[in-house]
Amino acid sequence: DTAVSQTPKYLVTQMGNDKSIKCEQNLGHDTMYWYKQDSKKFLKIMFSYNNKELIINETVPNRFSPKSPDKAHLNLHINSLELGDSAVYFCASSRGLLEQYFGPGTRLTVT
Amino acid sequence: QKEVEQDPGPLSVPEGAIVSLNCTYSNSAFQYFMWYRQYSRKGPELLMYTYSSGNKEDGRFTAQVDKSSKYISLFIRDSQPSDSATYLCAMSAGNAGKSTFGDGTTLTVKP
Repeated sequence: DTAVSQTPKYLVTQMGNDKSIKCEQNLGHDTMYWYKQDSKKFLKIMFSYNNKELIINETVPNRFSPKSPDKAHLNLHINSLELGDSAVYFCASSRGLLEQYFGPGTRLTVT
Repeated sequence: QKEVEQDPGPLSVPEGAIVSLNCTYSNSAFQYFMWYRQYSRKGPELLMYTYSSGNKEDGRFTAQVDKSSKYISLFIRDSQPSDSATYLCAMSAGNAGKSTFGDGTTLTVKP
């Protein structure tokens, strides 16, 4: 009964490739998020969707494109991967503004 | 200067100790203050959130907010080895669910 799930859990790829990470929540929440956590544990919001509508778009390279096919899913596609994209990417969801439930993370390594 | 600064740690305490984890912030618009716990290789989980100044207690955990000093704390009483994790403070002005996170403090409680 995983509340927020992400696939894949680990992703190792070469520079220049395009990859996608998928996220699904079964909590019935209206808002979903993508965060990036670097090697120093700093957690930074990238995007937020509310009812499939983009509401937060932080300063993120346009190589990163989120897509929300429905309220329960938020995917992240990354084009032309770079070494600096290596990080753990977390998906989260919330009903209100505060109580965010995080997924287990996708550990992306770009070589 | 970062909007949210967190005591860097790491912090190592004996079992049963009282732990104090602290964050300062510069944005006066922050009204909601959260504490997340993140175990190694897991997603953050919300421990507590408070609104405005004051204290909030939940079992062995007490969250304290002093808006006049722009300072928040999380106290853990009777700390247990299972409390060993990274603790992240987060703050929000309440706008569209955007939370700004501290860098995290890694706590180790030794039996």
